[in-house]
Amino acid sequence: GPKVLQIPSHQIIDMGQMVTLNCDPVSNHLYFYWYKQILGQQMEFLVNFYNGKVMEKSKLFKDQFSVERPDGSYFTLKIQPTALEDSAVYFCASSLLGGSSYEQYFGPGTRLTVL
Amino acid sequence: GDQVEQSPSALSLHEGTGSALRCNFTTTMRAVQWFRKNSRGSLINLFYLASGTKENGRLKSAFDSKERYSTLHIRDAQLEDSGTYFCAAGNYGSSGNKLIFGIGTLLSVKP
Repeated sequence: GPKVLQIPSHQIIDMGQMVTLNCDPVSNHLYFYWYKQILGQQMEFLVNFYNGKVMEKSKLFKDQFSVERPDGSYFTLKIQPTALEDSAVYFCASSLLGGSSYEQYFGPGTRLTVL
Repeated sequence: GDQVEQSPSALSLHEGTGSALRCNFTTTMRAVQWFRKNSRGSLINLFYLASGTKENGRLKSAFDSKERYSTLHIRDAQLEDSGTYFCAAGNYGSSGNKLIFGIGTLLSVKP
């Protein structure tokens, strides 16, 4: 099936530093998403992104978070500065737009550890 | 806020038997997805439903938006079916889509 790639698979970073998580969505998809999963908890929606804009974000999407997808490149989640509570697995997803094409496909996740 | 209640949290089956997983929604959802997490932690898409039922091999899923639930039936369980299954539901609209996930069901299939 369609594949979403995420780079890196693991990232360890000191608190206060900046980190960028990269996602390579399915090639013809137009909607992009980030979700966050803290160990032992449910996966939770962070943000979705379409046509260069954030369409919806949750309360978990703090001011220190930003997303972008420059033309032809990765869909990224940047955290600046990082905090201890940002430690989690971050999943990227993508979907087509319209009708029954909202099915989301997920990447394998990036495990972020903030020390 | 909107919630997805998934049950059971854990399920043990003998090979060849079957059972059902269920997700209840606290509000009306427009579609549901079912996933299985593989050994590498990746989410494998099993079903996407906006209504009715779908079947794929030994798996069958149903979604009733009005009654606010979805089910995943597994029949003739095999050892390789072991893993964690998640449902996730969404209200897809012009502002974008977001999925609300259940807590997952850990399925163990034993010989």
